[in-house]
Amino acid sequence: EVQLVESGGGLVQPGGSLRLSCAASGFTFSSYEMNWVRQAPGKGLEWVSYISSSGSTIYYADSVKGRFTISRDNAKNSLYLQMNSLRAEDTAVYYCAREQAAVAGNFDYWGQGTLVTVSS
Amino acid sequence: AIRMTQSPSSFSASTGDRVTITCRASQGISSYLAWYQQKPGKAPKLLIYAASTLQSGVPSRFSGSGSGTDFTLTISCLQSEDFATYYCQQYYSYPWAFGQGTKVEIK
Repeated sequence: EVQLVESGGGLVQPGGSLRLSCAASGFTFSSYEMNWVRQAPGKGLEWVSYISSSGSTIYYADSVKGRFTISRDNAKNSLYLQMNSLRAEDTAVYYCAREQAAVAGNFDYWGQGTLVTVSS
Repeated sequence: AIRMTQSPSSFSASTGDRVTITCRASQGISSYLAWYQQKPGKAPKLLIYAASTLQSGVPSRFSGSGSGTDFTLTISCLQSEDFATYYCQQYYSYPWAFGQGTKVEIK
């Protein structure tokens, strides 16, 4: 069974940092492209970042470029999101999502999400 | 960046109704369009990709159509478990973008 389990969320002050993790199981993690998608409270979905299966190609939304860093450790079946210079508008549930094999760009499995709250 | 606009933002319907949700892209995206269903407190679930291909395990009452800039999601006979928020998403070019969502409520 495919499972994605996020962790690392919490309360952080504006300007602070947080590192999210996503532990993958039930599939060959190193073969899949991965993404982070977030959802502010009561709002819609916003794509945040993409990383290729090897980690060699990375993309970011303009709203997080220069502040967030996506990475992965295929040996540990884990995806990460390092978030620096956090702002109130970064407050959201952060989901890791797997891209469907052979149909790049849409997400067939999602984690349960981890809540990040940026507030003083 | 490509913008996705859904309509309506919300509406009420009854079990058994046929409902249609529209998604429009700000520029042509061929058929690189997915639909998701999200229930409160849960992660989104992929329903349809490539505009009209039903994801494995999704009931056949869900269907998608369109290409270019205009797309629709149709639920042929609304069931109680279908009351949720639906999002379209383009994956034609980065940044991937979602529509603002359409909430389907019980009448």
